Amino acid sequence: QIQLVQSGPELKKPGESLKISCKASGYTFTDYAMQWVKQAPGKGLQYMGWINTQIGKPTYADDFKERFVFSLETSATTAYLQINNLKNEDTATYFCARGIIIDYWGQGVMVTVSS
Amino acid sequence: DIQMTQSPSFLSASVEDRVSINCKASQNLNRYLNWYQQKLGEAPKLLIYNANSLQTGIPSRFSGSGSGTDFTLTISSLQPEDVATYFCLQHNSWPNTFGTGTKLELK
Repeated sequence: QIQLVQSGPELKKPGESLKISCKASGYTFTDYAMQWVKQAPGKGLQYMGWINTQIGKPTYADDFKERFVFSLETSATTAYLQINNLKNEDTATYFCARGIIIDYWGQGVMVTVSS
Repeated sequence: DIQMTQSPSFLSASVEDRVSINCKASQNLNRYLNWYQQKLGEAPKLLIYNANSLQTGIPSRFSGSGSGTDFTLTISSLQPEDVATYFCLQHNSWPNTFGTGTKLELK
């Protein structure tokens, strides 16, 4: 069955970096884009952007053009989200999700940024 | 960016009630509007894609309607397991944008 399994929760200090993984299985990885979504505590969902899994080209929404990096390890059917120079406002759950339709989601990674 | 206005924000209904949730877009979406269910602590689940197509495995009590700027998710007979937050997503125009969510509870 189709699954997106994300890495575990993270506790970081402001200024640090982190890299979240999203391991895909049950389908051909390069047939579907990978999207990223942020859900801050008590807030709605915010679309971060997507990465073309065939050519590895990322596209970022305006709020995520600085400090955020989408990447792939295609041989491992894994997508990554890296966040550099973490800020308190990056505290959120981050989801990966499959395809233009956004049909399957990972379970989310809770990231806490606190000094 | 397209703004998605979702209503109501909160909904309380009884088992077997018919429930409707609405999303209104600031621009024409054609039919590129999805509905999701999110239970506490879980990943969102796709219910309806492209306005009215039922995702595989989703009970037929869920349905979607609408086109252009106005869309509705309907649960024909509310079940206890439907307690969740529901939200819409437009994927017609970059960047995708989400509705603000509707928290559905049992009365």
